[in-house]
Amino acid sequence: DVKVTQSSRYLVKRTGEKVFLECVQDMDHENMFWYRQDPGLGLRLIYFSYDVKMKEKGDIPEGYSVSREKKERFSLILESASTNQTSMYLCASSPAGGPNYGYTFGSGTRLTVV
Amino acid sequence: AQTVTQSQPEMSVQEAETVTLSCTYDTSESNYYLFWYKQPPSRQMILVIRQEAYKQQNATENRFSVNFQKAAKSFSLKISDSQLGDTAMYFCAFMKHGDDKIIFGKGTRLHILP
Repeated sequence: DVKVTQSSRYLVKRTGEKVFLECVQDMDHENMFWYRQDPGLGLRLIYFSYDVKMKEKGDIPEGYSVSREKKERFSLILESASTNQTSMYLCASSPAGGPNYGYTFGSGTRLTVV
Repeated sequence: AQTVTQSQPEMSVQEAETVTLSCTYDTSESNYYLFWYKQPPSRQMILVIRQEAYKQQNATENRFSVNFQKAAKSFSLKISDSQLGDTAMYFCAFMKHGDDKIIFGKGTRLHILP
């Protein structure tokens, strides 16, 4: 069964810590995405990547960075975590080109910054 | 820029009833894809149904069907014979043809009552 795996389901971090959220997909997809989900705001795109070492900013990149050193892995980095980054983070992937059937999502990481 | 609007933040219906979730979108594109995603309490986002804008026929998947009105830019989801397992957050989403980014609405929380 193909899937997207997020390394942590729940995380609690302290303000100012550097936080890594990891996402791995086994579908050989070119595209990978990080979204943030908040009540009443839906899903907002943070960063995405079309290829290894490629990254592009989404709608809310401030306070975040990403890394894609291998095709299957896409990491979201909070350089200095703040309480307003407490949220649900969803990773997704999709193949490039052709008829598009949407994303495959991970199960999400609920991050609490205290 | 494209936008997706879900006007119903929350809905409740009795088991076995039919329920319709509303979605409107704004775009100047003529070729695009529309999606409905389901996010149950387990948090795993699942693609429910997909519609290609150039196809006039409404998509159906078992108990799930859409009413796609391209001129009105409306894309509602109908769930027939609702079941307790349909309890979830539902997101309407849009993607421009040739793009790889999906734009999500803010979601509708659906409760199926026993």
